[in-house]
Amino acid sequence: EPEVTQTPSHQVTQMGQEVILRCVPISNHLYFYWYRQILGQKVEFLVSFYNNEISEKSEIFDDQFSVERPDGSNFTLKIRSTKLEDSAMYFCASSEAQTGSYEQYFGPGTRLTVT
Amino acid sequence: AQTVTQSQPEMSVQEAETVTLSCTYDTSESDYYLFWYKQPPSRQMILVIRQEAYKQQNATENRFSVNFQKAAKSFSLKISDSQLGDAAMYFCAYRSAYGNEKLTFGTGTRLTIIP
Repeated sequence: EPEVTQTPSHQVTQMGQEVILRCVPISNHLYFYWYRQILGQKVEFLVSFYNNEISEKSEIFDDQFSVERPDGSNFTLKIRSTKLEDSAMYFCASSEAQTGSYEQYFGPGTRLTVT
Repeated sequence: AQTVTQSQPEMSVQEAETVTLSCTYDTSESDYYLFWYKQPPSRQMILVIRQEAYKQQNATENRFSVNFQKAAKSFSLKISDSQLGDAAMYFCAYRSAYGNEKLTFGTGTRLTIIP
């Protein structure tokens, strides 16, 4: 069964460093998402992406964040200058469509630890 | 803005018994979708069941069923014949039907299965 994959599974970085989290969505999906989950808290929406553009972003997704689909398969989340509070699990998701009850398929997540 | 509330941080159930997880939500929209996601210790979010708000019939997927009360804005998940593999965090999620594709999650309920 097709699945969303994410690399790395765990990333440790120092405060102020740039990180890139990578995702490979399901191949025929057109809509891509990033969510984050701070330890012990709920999953929060960061950004959605379609047709090489951001379609929606949350208040969390400020100027230090950016997303890109550099080629036909990868979808990346870049954090330019990491802060301690960016430590969280970051989930990528993809869906076949935007409307209807289409499922968003989630990847296994990348645990980001900022020290 | 929509909110999702899960008032039970933890629940436990004996193996083979039935358990119900609660979820309420707040919205001014008339059309939307509701989901239950399971997050086992591996941390990958897996869709358990979905409900379209325009459907009066409660969704059912094998041992999982929902009790959708639109007027009360309630969406509970019933797990019948609980199995050890059901142990996980369960998240209730809301998605608008009006082009706003992000999922809004509740805080989750940790379900423990007692052998």
